[in-house]
Amino acid sequence: DTEVTQTPKHLVMGMTNKKSLKCEQHMGHRAMYWYKQKAKKPPELMFVYSYEKLSINESVPSRFSPECPNSSLLNLHLHALQPEDSALYLCASSQAAGVGTEAFFGQGTRLTVV
Amino acid sequence: AQKVTQAQTEISVVEKEDVTLDCVYETRDTTYYLFWYKQPPSGELVFLIRRNSFDEQNEISGRYSWNFQKSTSSFNFTITASQVVDSAVYFCALSEPAFDDMRFGAGTRLTVKP
Repeated sequence: DTEVTQTPKHLVMGMTNKKSLKCEQHMGHRAMYWYKQKAKKPPELMFVYSYEKLSINESVPSRFSPECPNSSLLNLHLHALQPEDSALYLCASSQAAGVGTEAFFGQGTRLTVV
Repeated sequence: AQKVTQAQTEISVVEKEDVTLDCVYETRDTTYYLFWYKQPPSGELVFLIRRNSFDEQNEISGRYSWNFQKSTSSFNFTITASQVVDSAVYFCALSEPAFDDMRFGAGTRLTVKP
């Protein structure tokens, strides 16, 4: 099983809403990632969790709040987003961070902020 | 700082043609890892190959082949006898042990016409 599952697949939210994106993997991976991808651009790293601890925060605005409740789950809490935050949000996992193992990606959540 | 350059923004070929996607990287580290991912219109990033800096052997997998040359800091990807299903955006990526992340090039959009 090399599957990373993300829910929801699509999300439309207003600027005053609070929503959460969810990501789950059952491969025993100890590193999990959030990437943001705008149209016709490469994925941009947002956060890295290694052994359930936040190891990288790429200067992401505080309206994005990650959470790693356990080694299989990764959430991204969204609050007071702006229209420019509309993008594809990709979750990924790998065996460990920083050792060059390949990352497996979910299908992403297409977020639209209105 | 690690950097990946994919100079070809878009490539269009006719089915059965061979096509090569270029990737040039920059790193100060002697240990690093290179990857290729495919992103079809559905959005999910599909892992294709991983190479570490100590393994310069070229690899062939079916119609796919990869040419890794440290002397030119390149890791090129060739699709032989392209098919319409190969149409996608292809990303080259670089990972260094000092960083808990993976950085992507800008991507090359490949269109294979019937």
